[in-house]
Amino acid sequence: AQTVTQSQPEMSVQEAETVTLSCTYDTSESDYYLFWYKQPPSRQMILVIRQEAYKQQNATENRFSVNFQKAAKSFSLKISDSQLGDAAMYFCAFGFTGNQFYFGTGTSLTVIP
Amino acid sequence: DSGVTQTPKHLITATGQRVTLRCSPRSGDLSVYWYQQSLDQGLQFLIQYYNGEERAKGNILERFSAQQFPDLHSELNLSSLELGDSALYFCASSAPSTGPNTGELFFGEGSRLTVL
Repeated sequence: AQTVTQSQPEMSVQEAETVTLSCTYDTSESDYYLFWYKQPPSRQMILVIRQEAYKQQNATENRFSVNFQKAAKSFSLKISDSQLGDAAMYFCAFGFTGNQFYFGTGTSLTVIP
Repeated sequence: DSGVTQTPKHLITATGQRVTLRCSPRSGDLSVYWYQQSLDQGLQFLIQYYNGEERAKGNILERFSAQQFPDLHSELNLSSLELGDSALYFCASSAPSTGPNTGELFFGEGSRLTVL
């Protein structure tokens, strides 16, 4: 079965600090994509960062970076220098082009001024 | 702008009624996905189409149906509506027929359905 687990329903971080959101997944496939999506109060789904499973190098996008451990099936998101605008629900997901995508249950991030 | 267009953005209707939600995928994307998100809940996968054919089915109720047309737009039909069907319905697309493939899902802004 293909599953995604986000074990932290809620997290909080002080503004300007760093926070890491955890994600583990399970698949028997070897070639897939991994994603973190952000859903702010507007409820729009916004892609934060993506990672191809065949790439060993961890993806980074400005203040956002991932720690991808393929053997452990772990894909955590690190947010550096947290800003008030980072407050949102974060969904971890993996999928295959043209086929199904699998989402975690989400982590609600609060940024404390 | 993701390039995925959903209409209507908001819809209010009564129990027992039927509604149709429409989705135009990103230009050239072959695959369309429908998700349901109730308040403070995660994304529930409903159904996926690829180039006009159903490819995967999730927790879609029998009262719900969908299709993807030859021009690749998709419609989600919800019938005999119940209060519990009130939710945000997302359409997403992926799998470009041409150009680079980043593998990601591109989401529309959602159709917010309220059943009274």
